[in-house]
Amino acid sequence: DAMVIQNPRYQVTQFGKPVTLSCSQTLNHNVMYWYQQKSSQAPKLLFHYYDKDFNNEADTPDNFQSRRPNTSFCFLDIRSPGLGDAAMYLCATSRAYQAGGGPDTQYFGPGTRLTVL
Amino acid sequence: AQTVTQSQPEMSVQEAETVTLSCTYDTSENNYYLFWYKQPPSRQMILVIRQEAYKQQNATENRFSVNFQKAAKSFSLKISDSQLGDTAMYFCAFTLGSARQLTFGSGTQLTVLP
Repeated sequence: DAMVIQNPRYQVTQFGKPVTLSCSQTLNHNVMYWYQQKSSQAPKLLFHYYDKDFNNEADTPDNFQSRRPNTSFCFLDIRSPGLGDAAMYLCATSRAYQAGGGPDTQYFGPGTRLTVL
Repeated sequence: AQTVTQSQPEMSVQEAETVTLSCTYDTSENNYYLFWYKQPPSRQMILVIRQEAYKQQNATENRFSVNFQKAAKSFSLKISDSQLGDTAMYFCAFTLGSARQLTFGSGTQLTVLP
């Protein structure tokens, strides 16, 4: 089945130790998103790629970086995780626009739960 | 900036009954889209229903329907014949027609009771 896959599902890292989360998709969508969702809160967009065009949200900390080596894969790098970065990280994909116009539906992966010790 | 407000952090409903989740939003734009997403426990978020602001007709998807009141900037979700599988966190979300970024509300945790 076509889907959005996130690995690992659970990640534990130490304070200040770099960590990389991965996302892959079989939907062939040209837009990929990374969201941060803290406990009992709404997902917050960190950045998104439209093809290779990187779009950073204004309030995303510099500690968060992303790479998209090809259409299928996108990575979230946290350079020096702090305790406040513990959260669920959601990857989502969409087409650029829905057929007939307007923004396309976003398809979400199951998320990676990051714990920072 | 756009904001989305969900004033009901938690709700419960008996199986087979109807429940309505509230959502209000604020924008000065005229071209926008509204969504309800469902996030079941430990499972991925999925789209429940979407509404184009230029459409006056309320969107419907099987047991799910919306009451879109554009002047009041209100976008409520009605779930009819509630099922146990409807238990989830429900997020209302907004995006401008020219954008891709979703702005989410804080969510409503819905529990369907047997």
